[in-house]
Amino acid sequence: NAGVTQTPKFRILKIGQSMTLQCAQDMNHNYMYWYRQDPGMGLKLIYYSVGAGITDKGEVPNGYNVSRSTTEDFPLRLELAAPSQTSVYFCASSGLGLADRKSYEQYFGPGTRLTVT
Amino acid sequence: AQSVSQHNHHVILSEAASLELGCNYSYGGTVNLFWYVQYPGQHLQLLLKYFSGDPLVKGIKGFEAEFIKSKFSFNLRKPSVQWSDTAEYFCAVLGGNEKLTFGTGTRLTIIP
Repeated sequence: NAGVTQTPKFRILKIGQSMTLQCAQDMNHNYMYWYRQDPGMGLKLIYYSVGAGITDKGEVPNGYNVSRSTTEDFPLRLELAAPSQTSVYFCASSGLGLADRKSYEQYFGPGTRLTVT
Repeated sequence: AQSVSQHNHHVILSEAASLELGCNYSYGGTVNLFWYVQYPGQHLQLLLKYFSGDPLVKGIKGFEAEFIKSKFSFNLRKPSVQWSDTAEYFCAVLGGNEKLTFGTGTRLTIIP
């Protein structure tokens, strides 16, 4: 199993450009998440999905969009990049929801470091 | 909604010192509690988690954490740290939804 994979690893964008951060998992997990990590701020949830075709906003969704057409993939799109979106982005997945809290765990990808200038 | 506080932002210790990192959460219902570690340049990995039962939870690499319900705390401990424990540590709580809420993290630096 590759687990959770993310591409690209690094990217520099100019203000106003758009891009898609890719995330894929091969564990057949229903739940997938996008976080951003800023120094001293911990991880903030951007969007999440509880299954193919179902997405919902997290804590900081403004400026981002997601889609979930398959169980495996959960891309994150930035339409008009702004300097405030300079961050490290992590994708995560989980196979279980609250139905099995004892086994709940999120698995994280390696991250994408994005700089917007 | 749940929240997590980690009051230690940066901790510096010498090798072989004992470690305790604080974590306090806010949530009135059933909680799952987690400690994740992020080594330099790497992604987050699970250290340990609490669901129910024995409040003293043992994880990987000699780490343990104690859930104290009356104090809403889940502090992380290790009796003797190593240089390789240098990393950032995140406490997280799973409340009444499918989302984890993370604390702001504690950067741990171990001096050889």
